[in-house]
Parts: sequence; C-alpha cells; structure tokens
Amino acid sequence: AQSVSQHNHHVILSEAASLELGCNYSYGGTVNLFWYVQYPGQHLQLLLKYFSGDPLVKGIKGFEAEFIKSKFSFNLRKPSVQWSDTAEYFCAVNALNFGNEKLTFGTGTRLTIIP
Amino acid sequence: NAGVMQNPRHLVRRRGQEARLRCSPMKGHSHVYWYRQLPEEGLKFMVYLQKENIIDESGMPKERFSAEFPKEGPSILRIQQVVRGDSAAYFCASSPQDRGSNTEAFFGQGTRLTVV
Repeated sequence: AQSVSQHNHHVILSEAASLELGCNYSYGGTVNLFWYVQYPGQHLQLLLKYFSGDPLVKGIKGFEAEFIKSKFSFNLRKPSVQWSDTAEYFCAVNALNFGNEKLTFGTGTRLTIIP
Repeated sequence: NAGVMQNPRHLVRRRGQEARLRCSPMKGHSHVYWYRQLPEEGLKFMVYLQKENIIDESGMPKERFSAEFPKEGPSILRIQQVVRGDSAAYFCASSPQDRGSNTEAFFGQGTRLTVV
C-alpha cells in the first residue's frame, strides 16, 4: 500500500521568502502525484498535478513541484510567498492500480506567512 | 457545472444519535471517495465507491460506519450511535469514470460534524 510523508508540520515564513515543502511517497509502481491547498475554513483545491512527462510541473498562484523518481519525492516550491498563501498544504499520491485508485494524503503542512 | 455538493455543511449530534452525510458528485462523475479530517491531522481515506458498489472500504471503522452510493441520488455516509471521537470534518471527492486515465479528484466543501 502506498503512503505519503510530509515532514514539515508547520512552516512560518516572512512575505517574499522562498518556500519548499517536502513530500515523499512509498510505492514501487507508477503514480500520479498531487498537491492540494486548503485555505482556512475552505475545501481542498488542486494546486498542481503530475501524471507523466516533464518532471517539473507548474501550478496555480506561482507554485511548482518537481518529481524526482529516484528519491520518491515531489516537493512543492514557490520563489516568493505572499500573505495570502497562508493555508494547509497536502501532498497526495494515487497509485495506478486500475480499479482501486484512492488518493492517499500526507498529514499536511501548515504554512503561516508573516506580513 | 456544479461542483461536488455536500450537505449539511455543519451537523451537530448528541452522543448516541445517527449522523447522515450526503455527497452529490460532479455531473458525469461516477466515483466517490470519503475522507475524514480530524483536528490537527491530515485527511484519512475512508471508503471508495462506484455506483452501487463499494470498491475499497479499508479505511472505514469496523462498526457504526457505513456508506452507499445508490444508482440514483447522492452518496451517503452514515454514522450510527455517534461518539465524541467522531467529531471531524468529512470530505467527499468525486472523479470521472475513466479514473485510470489520469484525472484528479474534485472535493466538496465538507461536512463538519460535532458530537456533543
């Protein structure tokens, strides 16, 4: 069974700082990878996704993530954060077992941006 | 195209009562997933359903919890004899039929269950 680890539970940054949130997964086969964001009091929204092709994927709001297959990692990055990026960020993996393709989430990273 | 609709948004139940959470998937989506988010924790998978079928219920507690996705109508997550530990946000997600062809799941706004 697949699992996802997000080692940073709470990250505090000042505006304009650069961001990198770690995500590692365990699964030996082919995967789809996702980052979701949950703003306070709201539902999860998709930030970006990786299915195949270029391992560097760009998402909304200036976020990007790089899939490094050899490291089983899919870290999220943003060169310059804004106060409005304060939210909880979840990495998720979908192992391509056809017929049973649940998304497995990490425990999330709470990001607080200080103005 | 309306998104994933969950209702109610907030539900308060006394210990021992039943809670029914509803999820209407996006139009054209026949796969539904339920997740639970406990305070200060991530999302935990509960159950994955297709129309009239439970595909994976490995995340469902063995007792008191059940889920269905009938041919007509919304998916229902039912919690019998609720206890304080059931207090959480319950999220539903849906995806299209061709799940294997690289599509993402879309989430509803969740139902926040409070057991008093």
